[in-house]
Amino acid sequence: DTEVTQTPKHLVMGMTNKKSLKCEQHMGHRAMYWYKQKAKKPPELMFVYSYEKLSINESVPSRFSPECPNSSLLNLHLHALQPEDSALYLCASSQDAGGPGYGYTFGSGTRLTVV
Amino acid sequence: GQSLEQPSEVTAVEGAIVQINCTYQTSGFYGLSWYQQHDGGAPTFLSYNALDGLEETGRFSSFLSRSDSYGYLLLQELQMKDSASYFCAVRDRAGGFKTIFGAGTRLFVKA
Repeated sequence: DTEVTQTPKHLVMGMTNKKSLKCEQHMGHRAMYWYKQKAKKPPELMFVYSYEKLSINESVPSRFSPECPNSSLLNLHLHALQPEDSALYLCASSQDAGGPGYGYTFGSGTRLTVV
Repeated sequence: GQSLEQPSEVTAVEGAIVQINCTYQTSGFYGLSWYQQHDGGAPTFLSYNALDGLEETGRFSSFLSRSDSYGYLLLQELQMKDSASYFCAVRDRAGGFKTIFGAGTRLFVKA
């Protein structure tokens, strides 16, 4: 299995809702990432998990809460989002956060709309 | 912090060769990657350079010069399906290993 699976593919939520994005990989990768991407912009790093521990938080607002239940799963919990948080949320994984430069495998993303 | 510069758009004809340049500034350079992203799709890893020189993978090649903080992606025998955005991305070990993407180059391949 050489894929990163993200669910749901599309999500519309109100500003008072709580929702979660899910990401799963079965490649044995030990590093997992959340990126946010606005239209016609590059992916913007949010969080890095290495060996199931949060190693990087790029000053992301607390309304985004990541969780790594095990080495194959990564969640992003959303609460009290703003319309400007509408974007494509991409999950990625790699063999090791600090090892040789293996490429990242990205999931197809969750397109989030906050209304 | 990190900064990367790449052209915003490049247009080329089918069958031609195109080079997309990338210059970067980072305090803890560890490597330079290239990703392709089609509209509505996810980024796909193309290549990675940690050492100076050329890496070749099929029609795609990537080059790195660490002394010049410069790299490029070379696409040969262009096909219509190569129309996409191409991102250079620097792997930085300062503050923990992270990969930061450039703004992207939109490649248009014409018949």
